[in-house]
Amino acid sequence: GENVEQHPSTLSVQEGDSAVIKCTYSDSASNYFPWYKQELGKGPQLIIDIRSNVGEKKDQRIAVTLNKTAKHFSLHITETQPEDSAVYFCAAPHSGAGSYQLTFGKGTKLSVIP
Amino acid sequence: NAGVTQTPKFQVLKTGQSMTLQCAQDMNHNSMYWYRQDPGMGLRLIYYSASEGTTDKGEVPNGYNVSRLNKREFSLRLESAAPSQTSVYFCASSGPQGALAGANVLTFGAGSRLTVL
Repeated sequence: GENVEQHPSTLSVQEGDSAVIKCTYSDSASNYFPWYKQELGKGPQLIIDIRSNVGEKKDQRIAVTLNKTAKHFSLHITETQPEDSAVYFCAAPHSGAGSYQLTFGKGTKLSVIP
Repeated sequence: NAGVTQTPKFQVLKTGQSMTLQCAQDMNHNSMYWYRQDPGMGLRLIYYSASEGTTDKGEVPNGYNVSRLNKREFSLRLESAAPSQTSVYFCASSGPQGALAGANVLTFGAGSRLTVL
């Protein structure tokens, strides 16, 4: 199976600063790494993902980097805004015949202070 | 709007009671999942259905049963609820992203908050 560790569990930043959340995974065969954002009272929603054949992917203020050798990937949010306050989850595929299960990290609660 | 619909949104049960959480998706997705979310524990997979007609256990299946009623619907049943099953339950569905096998995007419902007294 897959083991995903996520750090930190909570993160507070001033509005306009950057935020970085890191995850490590155990299964070297994993090839897909998504990040989900969960706003209060809602279900998680995919915000960005990366395949194992690239090292970095950007989408406006968010980016994800992947280091396959070290088996870790990170979420970077620049110029943070109050609406970025949420819980963020990283995930990695759980290997299993015929399925695409994801193993999630335990989440990071990001608070952006105006 | 297209997506994943869960019912009920809130439920309070007494220990030993039974109930079924309902989930339906209208995106023609093949795979459906039930997760539970507990403070500090993230999202843990209870059961999943890779395709219509199949179901499999996830990480924490004890105390639960599931039914994949058809391609759209996937229900989760608690036969004899216990306080340890107090949680927020999320249903999700996924379909393949183009030709990239093994890279499915999960679409989650809004969640069902269950309290067992």
